[in-house]
Amino acid sequence: DTGVSQDPRHKITKRGQNVTFRCDPISEHNRLYWYRQTLGQGPEFLTYFQNEAQLEKSRLLSDRFSAERPKGSFSTLEIQRTEQGDSAMYLCASSSYTGTKERNTIYFGEGSWLTVV
Amino acid sequence: RKEVEQDPGPFNVPEGATVAFNCTYSNSASQSFFWYRQDCRKEPKLLMSVYSSGNEDGRFTAQLNRASQYISLLIRDSKLSDSATYLCVVVTSGTYKYIFGTGTRLKVLA
Repeated sequence: DTGVSQDPRHKITKRGQNVTFRCDPISEHNRLYWYRQTLGQGPEFLTYFQNEAQLEKSRLLSDRFSAERPKGSFSTLEIQRTEQGDSAMYLCASSSYTGTKERNTIYFGEGSWLTVV
Repeated sequence: RKEVEQDPGPFNVPEGATVAFNCTYSNSASQSFFWYRQDCRKEPKLLMSVYSSGNEDGRFTAQLNRASQYISLLIRDSKLSDSATYLCVVVTSGTYKYIFGTGTRLKVLA
């Protein structure tokens, strides 16, 4: 399977615990995106990377959230001191950015479901 | 005002019907547009890109109206399998950030 993969697919955690999600993008895709989605809403942008550089982080993202892409390949999203409001599906996507539109379609992983109890 | 707005629906239509969705965007500098389809509890998947000249893929037709800042999706001869949420996506110029609408739910009824 050469698509975007995310791990774990499901995570149940107690409030106050830390959780980390991993995303492996499509090979050679230089851009990687993190989104959060709750029921009845569209994916909400969290942050994105071009290679290892984090280019933008949503103002909606509190300091409890941090993302890394240390070698420009896989990425991790960590949530510290989880709250019940963090319960959502966390989606990772990747794209091959070349500056031309045709290559810029983003492809999503299957998502990581987080439930904070 | 949200950057990308869609009517959440649901749109309930009988099989064989034609249905159309619109999506409006606020940033006039937006440069790329897409429709994604999302099934319940699954990830979004690309349905089609939206080009300035409009484009068609089988029963699906997408149109872009830059002057009025909206895009549309037309589905002809609806199938039961078309039941899903359709997400409008607008890409901002410069940063190439993908902004999603809340999605429009479609239910095709037998």
